Amino acid sequence: AQKVTQAQTEISVVEKEDVTLDCVYETRDTTYYLFWYKQPPSGELVFLIRRNSFDEQNEISGRYSWNFQKSTSSFNFTITASQVVDSAVYFCALSEAQITGANSKLTFGKGITLSVRP
Amino acid sequence: EAGVAQSPRYKIIEKRQSVAFWCNPISGHATLYWYQQILGQGPKLLIQFQNNGVVDDSQLPKDRFSAERLKGVDSTLKIQPAKLEDSAVYLCASSPLSGSPGYNEQFFGPGTRLTVL
Repeated sequence: AQKVTQAQTEISVVEKEDVTLDCVYETRDTTYYLFWYKQPPSGELVFLIRRNSFDEQNEISGRYSWNFQKSTSSFNFTITASQVVDSAVYFCALSEAQITGANSKLTFGKGITLSVRP
Repeated sequence: EAGVAQSPRYKIIEKRQSVAFWCNPISGHATLYWYQQILGQGPKLLIQFQNNGVVDDSQLPKDRFSAERLKGVDSTLKIQPAKLEDSAVYLCASSPLSGSPGYNEQFFGPGTRLTVL
C-alpha cells in the first residue's frame, strides 16, 4: 500500500524567508509520480509540481524548487523568498503507474499549513 | 478553458437525511474522481471513473454512498442516509487520459462543504 507522510503540521515564517516542506513516501511500485499541491483558503487544490520516479534531477521553477531523493524516499519542496500569498495548506501526493491504462488515484499526506507573516 | 464545476458549494443537513452533489469535469477529460477531505486531513479517494465505468471504488462506503457518471461526462455523488462523520469537503477532480498512467495532474473543483448536524 502506498503512504505519504508530512511530519510537519504547521510552519510560520516571516516574508522573504525561505521555507522547506518535508515529504516522505512509501510505495512498492518502481514507477510512480510525486506531486505537490497547494490549497489556499478558497479550498481549491492547485497543482504545483510533478516528478517521476526515474528522474532524480532536482529543479528550480521560479521561487519553487524540489529535492527528490529516492534513497530516503523523500520529496521535499522549497519556497524561496516567501510571500504572504504563499500562505496555504500544502499537500504532497503520490500516484502509482497502473497497467490497466487508466489514470491513477492520488494518495495525499495530511498537509502542512504554511503561514507567511508580513 | 473552464475548470471543474461543482455544486452546491455548501450544504447543511441533519443526520439521516439524504444529499447529492454534482460535478462537471473539464471538457474532454476521461477520468473523474470524487475525494472526501475531512478537516485537518488530506483528500481521500472515494471513487474513480474512466468515461462512464468505475475504475476504483474500494474506499466508497457503499451502504450509504453511491455515485454515477452517466454518459461519461458529469457525475453525481449521493449520501443516503448521512451520518455525523460524513461532515467534510467533497472534492471532484478530472484528468485527461494519457499513455502514461499516473502522469497527469488532476484538476480540482472548489469542493462542496457538507455539514451534518
